[in-house]
Amino acid sequence: NAGVTQTPKFRVLKTGQSMTLLCAQDMNHEYMYWYRQDPGMGLRLIHYSVGEGTTAKGEVPDGYNVSRLKKQNFLLGLESAAPSQTSVYFCASSYSGLAGGVAKNIQYFGAGTRLSVL
Amino acid sequence: AQKVTQAQTEISVVEKEDVTLDCVYETRDTTYYLFWYKQPPSGELVFLIRRNSFDEQNEISGRYSWNFQKSTSSFNFTITASQVVDSAVYFCALSEEHRGSTLGRLYFGRGTQLTVWP
Repeated sequence: NAGVTQTPKFRVLKTGQSMTLLCAQDMNHEYMYWYRQDPGMGLRLIHYSVGEGTTAKGEVPDGYNVSRLKKQNFLLGLESAAPSQTSVYFCASSYSGLAGGVAKNIQYFGAGTRLSVL
Repeated sequence: AQKVTQAQTEISVVEKEDVTLDCVYETRDTTYYLFWYKQPPSGELVFLIRRNSFDEQNEISGRYSWNFQKSTSSFNFTITASQVVDSAVYFCALSEEHRGSTLGRLYFGRGTQLTVWP
């Protein structure tokens, strides 16, 4: 079972460069999320999506854009990377609040992408 | 204000000791969900348990047990007879429900680093 797959696993960028992180899930989940994890801060929500073609801002959306063109994929883009975006990025997915049954609200996470911006 | 507080930043115990990780949450919703996730040194996030606000029964799963007390807004996690493999960062999280749908957003505490020494 693949679950939630994130690519790449590691990346080093120079300030000002752009990149896209890909998240793919094979559980037919409606909801998908991008978090960043920084030391001592826990996980903070960047953007999320409640369905194909819809996205919304989380707690820390500045400097990021997202797209959900297909139900199974959720892309996180950095248009002009900054050192403050050095972090570990996690993607997660879950069933919707209405349709999830016993699995309702349980978020399943990818393995993370470690990004360094120099 | 933080919705989820994990006051213990780091805990160290010796193998076979019992250890309790504290979690205090804050919400105005009557329907909500509480979670614990484990993040071992390998970095992935592993779902441990979900509890909804209407179910205050304590739960036991092997060496793990959870104590949910609405009166004190706490959802504490106890590991009995700890083992070296329990060494990880443990996150408590909260999801609130509005009008039957949570939108799935999780609010994470900052995590507790548990180290179990042999």
